[in-house]
Amino acid sequence: QQQVRQSPQSLTVWEGGTTVLTCSYEDSTFNYFPWYQQFPGEGPALLISILSVSDKKEDGRFTTFFNKREKKLSLHIIDSQPGDSATYFCAARRTGGNNKLTFGQGTVLSVIP
Amino acid sequence: GPKVLQIPSHQIIDMGQMVTLNCDPVSNHLYFYWYKQILGQQMEFLVNFYNGKVMEKSKLFKDQFSVERPDGSYFTLKIQPTALEDSAVYFCASSLRRNTLYFGEGSRLIVV
Repeated sequence: QQQVRQSPQSLTVWEGGTTVLTCSYEDSTFNYFPWYQQFPGEGPALLISILSVSDKKEDGRFTTFFNKREKKLSLHIIDSQPGDSATYFCAARRTGGNNKLTFGQGTVLSVIP
Repeated sequence: GPKVLQIPSHQIIDMGQMVTLNCDPVSNHLYFYWYKQILGQQMEFLVNFYNGKVMEKSKLFKDQFSVERPDGSYFTLKIQPTALEDSAVYFCASSLRRNTLYFGEGSRLIVV
């Protein structure tokens, strides 16, 4: 059973366009949601994160939105660049847990010049 | 940013043999993790480790798996004996406290 579901599996956008990735989850005890960016041959790197007490967090061209009622979150990338081409993972962590992250399946993003 | 180093980057090993994957975590970090990623799939939690002890392990952390960090050196994942289904990329991560995880570049293990 997938605890964190991510969509789409892959996505292609034109340079300058807006990318939208989404995740949903079941476990209401999840309270921290990081997004990781992974380039081929590299490990995942934290991109942006949000706590369940917030509904939006912005960092430059990257914004994550959180909807607690619907148990959904999204990552928006404005003015997408070819250098943004990577795999993006959403993840979730429970309150009071051992800092264990549960990852979604990932979205492979290709930004075409 | 902080770097987690993993050795080896790639290893091919015969089924049944032992393998040790090494991780050099960020120097002042206290919490250590191993994740497993099969090609095209999400990363799955194996185990986390703090103060010389396993804090939590998943059902993927089979009896053939073990972790240790002797005398503050490498944080290691040992698989003995290896099985075909152990073929994957293993990512080590570390964190200072129960916060941001920093991942290494992974060790690709191929069991033949």
